[in-house]
Amino acid sequence: EAQVTQNPRYLITVTGKKLTVTCSQNMNHEYMSWYRQDPGLGLRQIYYSMNVEVTDKGDVPEGYKVSRKEKRNFPLILESPSPNQTSLYFCASSRQRGVYEQYFGPGTRLTVT
Amino acid sequence: SQQGEEDPQALSIQEGENATMNCSYKTSINNLQWYRQNSGRGLVHLILIRSNEREKHSGRLRVTLDTSKKSSSLLITASRAADTASYFCATSRLESSYDKVIFGPGTSLSVIP
Repeated sequence: EAQVTQNPRYLITVTGKKLTVTCSQNMNHEYMSWYRQDPGLGLRQIYYSMNVEVTDKGDVPEGYKVSRKEKRNFPLILESPSPNQTSLYFCASSRQRGVYEQYFGPGTRLTVT
Repeated sequence: SQQGEEDPQALSIQEGENATMNCSYKTSINNLQWYRQNSGRGLVHLILIRSNEREKHSGRLRVTLDTSKKSSSLLITASRAADTASYFCATSRLESSYDKVIFGPGTSLSVIP
């Protein structure tokens, strides 16, 4: 089954404790992206990757890091989480940016206290 | 400012009625996509309509695109309780030689049994 998986689905952590949210897709998609969703603000792009070893900032990259060492995986790293990063995070993948539909993961609800 | 803006923000209808949601945008686009999100879950792609297309259908869904008015509409016919969800439009436009995708804030649809 074609899918995007994220782990963990729920995470409660404390300020400053480094964390990684994993994302994996099994569709051999070149394009992957991370979004955060906050009430009233919709989906905002954090980082995206056009292909392996090619990543770039989205609209709200501050406080986040990503890497794309393999085509299928695109982890999101919060080196020093802060309460303003409490949000619902989605990973998505697509055959090609903007031209084709995106497939979304189930989301990771992160709470930083 | 956001590229896509859905209207209305919230819509409540009776089961069996039609639901219409609109999306307006500001700059020229390559394509426009509609997504559905059930509460707290990942977005699911519904329809992609390209800038040279005027109308597309998928089951009970009908999407129109008017590039002269920079607007799109999503019509759900004979609505069901299971259609209760948030609906987002996402516009894709060329930016710095890559297609940039921007999501609107969404329309929350409630279908009352």
